[in-house]
Amino acid sequence: AQTVTQSQPEMSVQEAETVTLSCTYDTSESDYYLFWYKQPPSRQMILVIRQEAYKQQNATENRFSVNFQKAAKSFSLKISDSQLGDAAMYFCAYRSTQGGSEKLVFGKGTKLTVNP
Amino acid sequence: AAGVIQSPRHLIKEKRETATLKCYPIPRHDTVYWYQQGPGQDPQFLISFYEKMQSDKGSIPDRFSAQQFSDYHSELNMSSLELGDSALYFCASSLFPESPFTDTQYFGPGTRLTVL
Repeated sequence: AQTVTQSQPEMSVQEAETVTLSCTYDTSESDYYLFWYKQPPSRQMILVIRQEAYKQQNATENRFSVNFQKAAKSFSLKISDSQLGDAAMYFCAYRSTQGGSEKLVFGKGTKLTVNP
Repeated sequence: AAGVIQSPRHLIKEKRETATLKCYPIPRHDTVYWYQQGPGQDPQFLISFYEKMQSDKGSIPDRFSAQQFSDYHSELNMSSLELGDSALYFCASSLFPESPFTDTQYFGPGTRLTVL
């Protein structure tokens, strides 16, 4: 079974600075998807960014980018120019590409605090 | 853009009662997933449906059942409620993964269930 590990329960960053959230995963599959979801105090789960394992190019969405290291099974999220609205719990998630196994497997989350 | 709709948003039940949670996926989405998120925990997969058939099953108690209807909405039925069932229940929807860009799971706002 796949597992996802987020080793940083909490992180903090100053407004306008950059922060990187770590995520590692364990799988025997060669093709899969990885996601970062954001959960603000409202508890809504919001997709931040996704990465297909077969793509070597790291995904980017505005101020959010990932560093995907397939051999190391690492998938970190970098937030640039941090804003107060970025404060939330961030979950890393894995999704298999095998039919009938499309569920998301989440890490325990990292709580990000943004200081003004 | 239309999002996933869940009802009710909040539900309070007594132990041993039953509860029904409803999920209306994004229009044209044919796959529905249910997740349970306990306090301070990551979301855990319960069950999923594709084209009204169960497609995957996670750690869903036997007291829970679910189905997807012809209009693709889904209902999660929970019987003999226990205190430990108090959680946030998310529904997510996606298009069957025919291509890498259509299968991202989009989450509803969740139903907060409190069992007293």
